[in-house]
Amino acid sequence: DAKTTQPNSMESNEEEPVHLPCNHSTISGTDYIHWYRQLPSQGPEYVIHGLTSNVNNRMASLAIAEDRKSSTLILHRATLRDAAVYYCILYGGANNLFFGTGTRLTVIP
Amino acid sequence: DTGVSQDPRHKITKRGQNVTFRCDPISEHNRLYWYRQTLGQGPEFLTYFQNEAQLEKSRLLSDRFSAERPKGSFSTLEIQRTEQGDSAMYLCASSPGGTNTGELFFGEGSRLTVL
Repeated sequence: DAKTTQPNSMESNEEEPVHLPCNHSTISGTDYIHWYRQLPSQGPEYVIHGLTSNVNNRMASLAIAEDRKSSTLILHRATLRDAAVYYCILYGGANNLFFGTGTRLTVIP
Repeated sequence: DTGVSQDPRHKITKRGQNVTFRCDPISEHNRLYWYRQTLGQGPEFLTYFQNEAQLEKSRLLSDRFSAERPKGSFSTLEIQRTEQGDSAMYLCASSPGGTNTGELFFGEGSRLTVL
């Protein structure tokens, strides 16, 4: 599995934007970039995914570098409910996802 | 609630006992996955079903572990002769048939504690 690198932890103030970075220098041309998050005591939850173009949905935006070797998950206004571990995953069509250890986001009221 | 359902949510057992977890996927989801998550780590893939066929198993799935999905609907994960190292959260996920987009729907997990 191609690997991703994320900071172990990040902090954000409530109602401010949050940019969660992910490096994936070994990404292949057919790998999608997926983001999941895991709230305390819950299973992971799908957030967003993309291939080359930036993507927006109701939860977040995904900005993908032109060379696809890095991406950034953007939460436009962090709330306390966004405190979670965020996983950046490269998905190449296999029957499983490799999660890594993710970034623990702390939101400060 | 039409999400993925797992039972029991918590299980405490003594070393050497057998335990079984059940997963009910989202209705009509053909694909079903089992993952294991230990403290401070991300989920690790265990096994994958397409309908009733078990198509992939991780090396993490030792001989003491067995998973079934007899009618292509619910699935069970059994651990025989449990060891303390089996203590973890066992997560089930499902996804619809057709093109595999990588979007999995996870349950809340079954937490196993082996004393």
